Amino acid sequence: DAKTTQPNSMESNEEEPVHLPCNHSTISGTDYIHWYRQLPSQGPEYVIHGLTSNVNNRMASLAIAEDRKSSTLILHRATLRDAAVYYCILRDSGGDKIIFGKGTRLHILP
Amino acid sequence: ETGVTQSPTHLIKTRGQQVTLRCSSQSGHNTVSWYQQALGQGPQFIFQYYREEENGRGNFPPRFSGLQFPNYSSELNVNALELDDSALYLCASSLLSGGGSNEQFFGPGTRLTVL
Repeated sequence: DAKTTQPNSMESNEEEPVHLPCNHSTISGTDYIHWYRQLPSQGPEYVIHGLTSNVNNRMASLAIAEDRKSSTLILHRATLRDAAVYYCILRDSGGDKIIFGKGTRLHILP
Repeated sequence: ETGVTQSPTHLIKTRGQQVTLRCSSQSGHNTVSWYQQALGQGPQFIFQYYREEENGRGNFPPRFSGLQFPNYSSELNVNALELDDSALYLCASSLLSGGGSNEQFFGPGTRLTVL
């Protein structure tokens, strides 16, 4: 499975947008880009995923670079409840398992 | 729609003992994956079961074994417990679709402490 690189931690102010970067320079053509987050004392939860085009849902937006070697998860208006570890993951077409890295710990300042 | 549930919530065992952790899948899901999450680390894939058969395994020794039942619930068994087995054990269910695009739904986990 291809690897991803994320900053260890980030800080943002409440009610401001947050841009969480992810590098995946060895991505293959069939890899999907997924984001999960893990709130304190909970299991991970799905946030969003995409293949080539930018994606939006009720939780976030995913911006994918044209060469697909990087992507950015965008939280449009961070709240204190968005404080979590965010994992950027590549999933290939062959299987269903998820290979997690260490993720980015997002701190939201009131 | 019932989410993924796991039992027990917490468990304390001693070295050398055996443990069984349980997971109930989300309704309609036929695939269960198990992960181990050590403190401060991301979850590590243990194995996956699809329609009662093992469908992939991570880098874990054979003393980690599992079962999936006809109702798609699942068990994780760990024999000869070691101190390093202390971790949060997560179960995730999904509808195996291949293509890497489906979502996994995680339970809250079982916190295992080995003394």
